[in-house]
Amino acid sequence: EAGVAQSPRYKIIEKRQSVAFWCNPISGHATLYWYQQILGQGPKLLIQFQNNGVVDDSQLPKDRFSAERLKGVDSTLKIQPAKLEDSAVYLCASTNVSYEQYFGPGTRLTVT
Amino acid sequence: AQSVTQPDIHITVSEGASLELRCNYSYGATPYLFWYVQSPGQGLQLLLKYFSGDTLVQGIKGFEAEFKRSQSSFNLRKPSVHWSDAAEYFCAVGDSGYALNFGKGTSLLVTP
Repeated sequence: EAGVAQSPRYKIIEKRQSVAFWCNPISGHATLYWYQQILGQGPKLLIQFQNNGVVDDSQLPKDRFSAERLKGVDSTLKIQPAKLEDSAVYLCASTNVSYEQYFGPGTRLTVT
Repeated sequence: AQSVTQPDIHITVSEGASLELRCNYSYGATPYLFWYVQSPGQGLQLLLKYFSGDTLVQGIKGFEAEFKRSQSSFNLRKPSVHWSDAAEYFCAVGDSGYALNFGKGTSLLVTP
């Protein structure tokens, strides 16, 4: 069974630029999460999707971050414009209505 | 609001020695508790989980954890550490919507 796929694995951008991350969850998993992991901290939930609907986006900085999950499968997370404090690893996880989340390898973003 | 505290930022143990990583949680109801491991450049891997029942749970790679409601703790243990166990360990508590709240992590260093 293929795991959660994410791309790109690494991205370096300048502040005020935009960036997008892509996630392909495990086949059949209805729930998809995006987490932000700043260096030295645990992952923090940004947004949770159930199929293609948003369940929780209370911690998503909506003035600059957006996310979508078209057709209830793949998802993209976008930052526009990026700030220095957005430097982090962005993790995607999926599950099929349970607590057992499967994580992708993450995208490491560096904003200079 | 639920929260997770991992009091130890770094822990160093000798190979072959026993290990205990501490985790304390704050949650109003019966918690769903997890331990994840993250190796450098890798995503998070689930080690074990506690939902209910036996308070001593067994996980992968020889790890176990004990849930103690009276102490609001869910400490991770391993009787004999291997060099390959060096990684970042995260304790997490699940909320009603299946999202996870993570602690800040404990970095484990294993010395020869």
